[in-house]
Amino acid sequence: GAGVSQSPSNKVTEKGKDVELRCDPISGHTALYWYRQSLGQGLEFLIYFQGNSAPDKSGLPSDRFSAERTGGSVSTLTIQRTQQEDSAVYLCASSLADFSGSRGDTQYFGPGTRLTVL
Amino acid sequence: RKEVEQDPGPFNVPEGATVAFNCTYSNSASQSFFWYRQDCRKEPKLLMSVYSSGNEDGRFTAQLNRASQYISLLIRDSKLSDSATYLCVVTPYNQGGKLIFGQGTELSVKP
Repeated sequence: GAGVSQSPSNKVTEKGKDVELRCDPISGHTALYWYRQSLGQGLEFLIYFQGNSAPDKSGLPSDRFSAERTGGSVSTLTIQRTQQEDSAVYLCASSLADFSGSRGDTQYFGPGTRLTVL
Repeated sequence: RKEVEQDPGPFNVPEGATVAFNCTYSNSASQSFFWYRQDCRKEPKLLMSVYSSGNEDGRFTAQLNRASQYISLLIRDSKLSDSATYLCVVTPYNQGGKLIFGQGTELSVKP
C-alpha cells in the first residue's frame, strides 16, 4: 500500500518568507507526527496529532511554527518568516497509535521535505 | 545532557565483523525502546523494538537494561548492506508515541 508522502521534496526560500509543508499519512493511521533533522541537532520532535485530541505542540521551536491536521488526515506544517536556522529536513510520520502492546507503536516516516532558507 | 546518548562513531569495520552499539537514556520513566536505521539522505526505518528480555532478529540482537538505562544493539557477521546510521530511540511515558532520538551512530562496513 501507499506509504507516507510529503511535498514538496525540496524547497528553497528566502529569509523572511513563509513556507507550507504537506504530509499525507498512511490511510487509517490516526496518529501523525512532525520531526525535523538538521546538522548538529539530529532528529527532533516537533508536534503530534492523535485523533480529535488537542495536539502536543511541545516540540515547536518558536511561535513562527504551526501545524494543522484537517479531517484527521492531511497535515500542513507552516513556518512563518523563515530564518536560516530553519534549514533542515522536515519529516512526517504516521502510526496506528496502538500503545497497548509491549512492542510499542510503529511509526512510518515519509521521505521528508528538504528546506533551505537563503 | 541529551535525553538519549549514543556512541558518536563512525564505526568502520570489515565484512563479517561483529559490531556493538551502545545507548543510554536519561528518563527512567521511558516506556518503549527502538533501534531505527537511516540510510544516507533517506527517512528512518524501524529496525527492531527492544525488550528487557532481549530480542533477536537474524544477525541483530537488541538488549535493554532498565536499571542501568542502557540499550544495546549487536550486529553479527556484518554485511556491506548494513552500512547506515543507527538511531537509538525512546518514547517518554504517557506522551503518546512521541519519539526521542539519539544522535545516531554511523556504521561503514568495508569489503
